[in-house]
Amino acid sequence: ETGVTQSPTHLIKTRGQQVTLRCSSQSGHNTVSWYQQALGQGPQFIFQYYREEENGRGNFPPRFSGLQFPNYSSELNVNALELDDSALYLCASSSTTTPVFTDTQYFGPGTRLTVL
Amino acid sequence: GESVGLHLPTLSVQEGDNSIINCAYSNSASDYFIWYKQESGKGPQFIIDIRSNMDKRQGQRVTVLLNKTVKHLSLQIAATQPGDSAVYFCAELLGGTDKLIFGTGTRLQVFP
Repeated sequence: ETGVTQSPTHLIKTRGQQVTLRCSSQSGHNTVSWYQQALGQGPQFIFQYYREEENGRGNFPPRFSGLQFPNYSSELNVNALELDDSALYLCASSSTTTPVFTDTQYFGPGTRLTVL
Repeated sequence: GESVGLHLPTLSVQEGDNSIINCAYSNSASDYFIWYKQESGKGPQFIIDIRSNMDKRQGQRVTVLLNKTVKHLSLQIAATQPGDSAVYFCAELLGGTDKLIFGTGTRLQVFP
């Protein structure tokens, strides 16, 4: 086990709603990254937080936002849900010694989001 | 549980044989590479990594080879076991960024 947990395990929402997904990182890990994994594909990078600030973002619209807290927990928020947002959402924690060097990322089990 | 990799390339091997999973990465400036294993219903699990200043690294039953000339990465699994059945992803980290870029994945099926 990686020591990274996510909640909830599964979630069903309707188009237009908002959702908050939660992640608890390994103790001592100051960096959390969020990924979206569509069925049959590899994870796609959404964004990363380092010491509670966004530290890089992939090709996702602003309605995807996040927060990182001092207690190694973090959130992914998605507004105005669309059908294509249905996917497995993964968080990964790591320890970054400098802003540009990240150690191995350890993944949680993911939250399966279904948008109807 | 989550069904991963419904239409991925599949490698079928017999239990006890060696497996080789290949990956072509996209960016010549990438300087860190990782292999992940993902079982159904679980998140990716770290297997082994290699940095761009190396061309080979060995772990327990696994070896990663890196060929920077042709931007190719391979994962060798010795004496493949039924528990090795999963989807395997290679991932690259572009130097100076923290964005992991994943490949499309390969499903490994081990039969008795």
